[in-house]
Amino acid sequence: DVKVTQSSRYLVKRTGEKVFLECVQDMDHENMFWYRQDPGLGLRLIYFSYDVKMKEKGDIPEGYSVSREKKERFSLILESASTNQTSMYLCASSDSLNTEAFFGQGTRLTVV
Amino acid sequence: AQSVTQLGSHVSVSEGALVLLRCNYSSSVPPYLFWYVQYPNQGLQLLLKYTSAATLVKGINGFEAEFKKSETSFHLTKPSAHMSDAAEYFCAVSGPRDDKIIFGKGTRLHILP
Repeated sequence: DVKVTQSSRYLVKRTGEKVFLECVQDMDHENMFWYRQDPGLGLRLIYFSYDVKMKEKGDIPEGYSVSREKKERFSLILESASTNQTSMYLCASSDSLNTEAFFGQGTRLTVV
Repeated sequence: AQSVTQLGSHVSVSEGALVLLRCNYSSSVPPYLFWYVQYPNQGLQLLLKYTSAATLVKGINGFEAEFKKSETSFHLTKPSAHMSDAAEYFCAVSGPRDDKIIFGKGTRLHILP
């Protein structure tokens, strides 16, 4: 059974903190994605990676960075958390041949 | 750039009635198209996908969608709604030359008893 695992379901952080969201997939997928989900706005792509150490900006990269040192792990970093980054964050992975994305359960981040 | 538009942020249907969720896409080349479902407090689950084979695609839980190139549409249907179908549904587009997957804003489906 395919699996994408996000390290935390719920997270509360203070404004200005550096925040790491971790995602691991066990399917040997080339592509990995970070989305944020907000009511009425759907899923918006923050960053995606198509290979180890490769990354590409999505639609809303400002305030975020990513790291992919190993194929199975893709980290989202909030350099200095702000209250407008309070959201649900979803990680996904895909195989170029099959195209569909597999999602983790999501991390609900609250910045206070 | 590719994009999808979902018409209606909320749709209500009676139990047993037809479900129709609308999705239109924008792409310069024939795309891959997907419908995902999200139940409360869960991640997204694939319902079905179109990848240039048959234009009528059957998915899980009795859902199906038809790719219509002339209308740039990929509407999701189910003949008879069930209470368990209440969820949020997302249409998405990607490829074939781009592995990024772009999502619509979602449609929340409400089932009335």
